[in-house]
Amino acid sequence: GQNIDQPTEMTATEGAIVQINCTYQTSGFNGLFWYQQHAGEAPTFLSYNVLDGLEEKGRFSSFLSRSKGYSYLLLKELQMKDSASYLCAVMDSNYQLIWGAGTKLIIKP
Amino acid sequence: GAVVSQHPSRVICKSGTSVKIECRSLDFQATTMFWYRQFPKQSLMLMATSNEGSKATYEQGVEKDKFLINHASLTLSTLTVTSAHPEDSSFYICSARGGSGTGGENTEAFFGQGTRLTVV
Repeated sequence: GQNIDQPTEMTATEGAIVQINCTYQTSGFNGLFWYQQHAGEAPTFLSYNVLDGLEEKGRFSSFLSRSKGYSYLLLKELQMKDSASYLCAVMDSNYQLIWGAGTKLIIKP
Repeated sequence: GAVVSQHPSRVICKSGTSVKIECRSLDFQATTMFWYRQFPKQSLMLMATSNEGSKATYEQGVEKDKFLINHASLTLSTLTVTSAHPEDSSFYICSARGGSGTGGENTEAFFGQGTRLTVV
């Protein structure tokens, strides 16, 4: 079956760095997405990786290793507004998105 | 990025009535639209996938007669919750993906703002 694993919850301190991991097993691979979702709102797009390596976009970076079925989202200089759920999703061979359960990130002052 | 508008953002209805939720792609042609349901503290659950001009494909366990999906044009899909009951109360989200010329298949899914449905 298809499976996306990510931690349920993480806590970090304002100004620090946090890494949210995601491992996957899917039928084919056409890219991995990270989304941010604040409570009561729809997800917003953060990043898309289809090739191995690190993609940097401001305070957020996303890494992919296809051979290991592994990705991480790195958040630097954490701000209180970064408190949210972070969803990992993989596009499979049918171009369907398979979603992880999300990681709730709690930022403390 | 592309804009997807979902309406209404919140709706409260009485048990037994029907509610229609609209999802519009404002600046691109959405060949495929997805409807999700999300329970508190849980991830998105795909309900159905609709392609313009054809019948929606429902995920296992989703009642197609209860959750009517129409995708009559390249910019509009609707989800109608028929004979709503309190257990249908949830957060419903649509997302849209364009075909060739709009960014292709290997691109992000653009999400609507979501609809908070409360059935009393």
